[in-house]
Amino acid sequence: AQSVTQPDIHITVSEGASLELRCNYSYGATPYLFWYVQSPGQGLQLLLKYFSGDTLVQGIKGFEAEFKRSQSSFNLRKPSVHWSDAAEYFCAVDAGGTSYGKLTFGQGTILTVHP
Amino acid sequence: DAGVTQSPTHLIKTRGQQVTLRCSPKSGHDTVSWYQQALGQGPQFIFQYYEEEERQRGNFPDRFSGHQFPNYSSELNVNALLLGDSALYLCATQFGANVLTFGAGSRLTVL
Repeated sequence: AQSVTQPDIHITVSEGASLELRCNYSYGATPYLFWYVQSPGQGLQLLLKYFSGDTLVQGIKGFEAEFKRSQSSFNLRKPSVHWSDAAEYFCAVDAGGTSYGKLTFGQGTILTVHP
Repeated sequence: DAGVTQSPTHLIKTRGQQVTLRCSPKSGHDTVSWYQQALGQGPQFIFQYYEEEERQRGNFPDRFSGHQFPNYSSELNVNALLLGDSALYLCATQFGANVLTFGAGSRLTVL
C-alpha cells in the first residue's frame, strides 16, 4: 500500500520569502501525485498534479513542484510567499488504474506567514 | 456552475446515534468519493461510488455505508456513532479519470 510523509508539521516564513514544503511517498511504481491546499473551514483545493512527463510542474497561485523519482519526493515550492498563502497543505498520491480517485494523503503542513 | 455541495455543514450527535450526510456532485461528474478528516490529520478514503455501486472501499468498518442515486448524488451513513467518528467528512467528485473536486465538508461532532 502507498504512503505519504510530510516531515514538517508546521512551517513559519516571512512574507516575500521563498517556501519549500517536503513530501515523500512510498509506492512500487510512479503514482499520480498531487498537492492540495485547505483554508480553515474549507474543503481542499487542487494546487497542481503530476501524472507523467516533465518532472517540474506548474500550478495555480505561483506554486510549482518537482518530482524526483530517485528520492521518491514531490516537494512544493514558491519563490515569494504572500500572506494569503497561510493555510494547510497536503500532499497526496493515487495509484491510478482501477484505484483512481482513491487518494492517500500526508498529515499536512501548516503554513504561517509573518508580515 | 455550482461545485460540489454538501449538507449539512455542521451537526452534533450523541454516541450510538446514526447520521446521514449528503453530497451533490459538480455538474457532469458521475463518481463520488467520501473522505474522513479527523482534527490535525490528512483526509482518509472511506469509499467510492460509481453507477450506483460501491467501487472501492478504504479501511472503515461496516458502520460506514453509502448510496449513490441515479442523479449521481450520494449519501454517507454512519451507524452506532462513536466519539472517534467526530471529524470533517469530505465529498469529492470526478468524471472518468479526471482530478477530484472536493466539497467544503460536513463537520460532525459526536458527544
